Amino acid sequence: EDQVTQSPEALRLQEGESSSLNCSYTVSGLRGLFWYRQDPGKGPEFLFTLYSAGEEKEKERLKATLTKKESFLHITAPKPEDSATYLCALAGYGSNSGYALNFGKGTSLLVTP
Amino acid sequence: DAGVTQSPTHLIKTRGQHVTLRCSPISGHKSVSWYQQVLGQGPQFIFQYYEKEERGRGNFPDRFSARQFPNYSSELNVNALLLGDSALYLCASSLAATGELFFGEGSRLTVL
Repeated sequence: EDQVTQSPEALRLQEGESSSLNCSYTVSGLRGLFWYRQDPGKGPEFLFTLYSAGEEKEKERLKATLTKKESFLHITAPKPEDSATYLCALAGYGSNSGYALNFGKGTSLLVTP
Repeated sequence: DAGVTQSPTHLIKTRGQHVTLRCSPISGHKSVSWYQQVLGQGPQFIFQYYEKEERGRGNFPDRFSARQFPNYSSELNVNALLLGDSALYLCASSLAATGELFFGEGSRLTVL
């Protein structure tokens, strides 16, 4: 069965203090690995899609990377507005559930001034 | 451009009742997906529709049903509500049946 595990559950950073969020996964055949950001009381907002090991995507202070077992979301010099819950999601082949995303529980990030 | 809109935003029901949640996708998007998010957890897949046909169904009981209309809007129906159905119900649309989803702000259901 496909599985997604995110760590840490919560992370507190000072403004400017770079760090990485981890998403470990197991899947029979990877269709795509997705990162979303979710603010309190809002729906998730799409950030990145990664399709194969070695792939990297960047957007402003965020950079997502992918290996065969893990994905990392690197946050460089974060600002308070980067505070949110970051969700990793997996889509695998081999099920009859269409393009279903299997989400992790998320990492709650707090960036303090 | 308008994003994904969901209604109602909040609702309170009692056990055994029925609920209908509605979703309007972004203009031009032909796929709608439904997810359930319980507090402190990631969203869990319920259904995906593309071009008005069901393309996927998650591990939810038959009390949950959905449909997509010719204008690509969608409804999620839940019968015989249980306390455990209390959650944020998220609708997401996409151009095609992919994982790059645009989510609405959700319908917060409380079952008493």
